[in-house]
Amino acid sequence: NAGVTQTPKFQVLKTGQSMTLQCAQDMNHEYMSWYRQDPGMGLRLIHYSVGAGITDQGEVPNGYNVSRSTTEDFPLRLLSAAPSQTSVYFCASRLGGGNYGYTFGSGTRLTVV
Amino acid sequence: DAKTTQPTSMDCAEGRAANLPCNHSTISGNEYVYWYRQIHSQGPQYIIHGLKNNETNEMASLIITEDRKSSTLILPHATLRDTAVYYCIVPGTYKYIFGTGTRLKVLA
Repeated sequence: NAGVTQTPKFQVLKTGQSMTLQCAQDMNHEYMSWYRQDPGMGLRLIHYSVGAGITDQGEVPNGYNVSRSTTEDFPLRLLSAAPSQTSVYFCASRLGGGNYGYTFGSGTRLTVV
Repeated sequence: DAKTTQPTSMDCAEGRAANLPCNHSTISGNEYVYWYRQIHSQGPQYIIHGLKNNETNEMASLIITEDRKSSTLILPHATLRDTAVYYCIVPGTYKYIFGTGTRLKVLA
């Protein structure tokens, strides 16, 4: 198993550009989540999904869209990048229907200039 | 969702036990306590979770008080590689909300 794969690992965007951060898992996990982590801070939940076709907002959803068309993939779209979205983005997944820990990806480091 | 309170930072001597406390006084009867750690800027790593009984795995032990209002993560023989930020989480049905965690520094 590759686990949780995030691409790209690094990205620089200009203000106003849009892009999609990719997240894929090969563990047949139902639950997937996106977090952002600003320098020296904890993780904040952006969006999460409990299965294909089901998504919901987390703590800081503004400026981001998600969709979950398959169990494996959970892309995060930045609609119009702003410098305040400079952060490290982590995707995570876990089995549903019980008490399981999340597996995290290695992150995407995004800089918006 | 129950909120958690952890000390901001702790030091521990290498080879000694590291005991990391967490308060979760508003936890409800069916909510689990989870612990994760984040080494440097890597993705967080799951350590252990429990409901009311003490739990142990190859990484750590988790002691939950009888009233379930607090817990302690124990790293029995801390090494320099255990230097990390440790997060205690009581998730809701679907949401995992991370706090700021405890920054553990293991000293040589």
